Amino acid sequence: GENVEQHPSTLSVQEGDSAVIKCTYSDSASNYFPWYKQELGKGPQLIIDIRSNVGEKKDQRIAVTLNKTAKHFSLHITETQPEDSAVYFCAASRGGRSGGFKTIFGAGTRLFVKA
Amino acid sequence: NAGVTQTPKFQVLKTGQSMTLQCAQDMNHEYMSWYRQDPGMGLRLIHYSVGAGITDQGEVPNGYNVSRSTTEDFPLRLLSAAPSQTSVYFCASSPNTYTDTQYFGPGTRLTVL
Repeated sequence: GENVEQHPSTLSVQEGDSAVIKCTYSDSASNYFPWYKQELGKGPQLIIDIRSNVGEKKDQRIAVTLNKTAKHFSLHITETQPEDSAVYFCAASRGGRSGGFKTIFGAGTRLFVKA
Repeated sequence: NAGVTQTPKFQVLKTGQSMTLQCAQDMNHEYMSWYRQDPGMGLRLIHYSVGAGITDQGEVPNGYNVSRSTTEDFPLRLLSAAPSQTSVYFCASSPNTYTDTQYFGPGTRLTVL
């Protein structure tokens, strides 16, 4: 079946350094790729997303790149801060019949930012 | 706006018991979804709804039922709880399509003994 692989599972960086998380998806019909941040005891929160007709998107310190040919997309966080410490999830989605959809999540990356 | 609310926050069940996890949103969103989150596995879609009266299965629907009689509410029913259903359950909503921002509730931690 379809899956999304996410790496690394754990990432530790020094405050101010950059962090990169990578995902690979298998369903070539996927056309929407959101990234979520989940803090302890809370639900995931969307931080950035990208659609298949775009190769790169940036929002302040966060950027996402997409390579549809390789079925690969990445999250880049620059100038990391301690409050960036959380679990990050990627996902790949596509539409289905009668307005339905299919979303597959990666297993998550636990990011530690050391002050 | 309260956003997406879920009750209860915690629940312990015995094998074979049934219960309903409640989810409500006050943003007039058409799309609502239920996910379960297990350690090391990310989130998996259980059921979703694209509007009142319309529901469909996600990736892991077995053992769960849903209904959507109003735009606001999307309850998840466990028919006969099993230890494999021990998980954290999240409800989410989005305005109109799967490419709109999904807003997640705070989650319900369920333990089945």
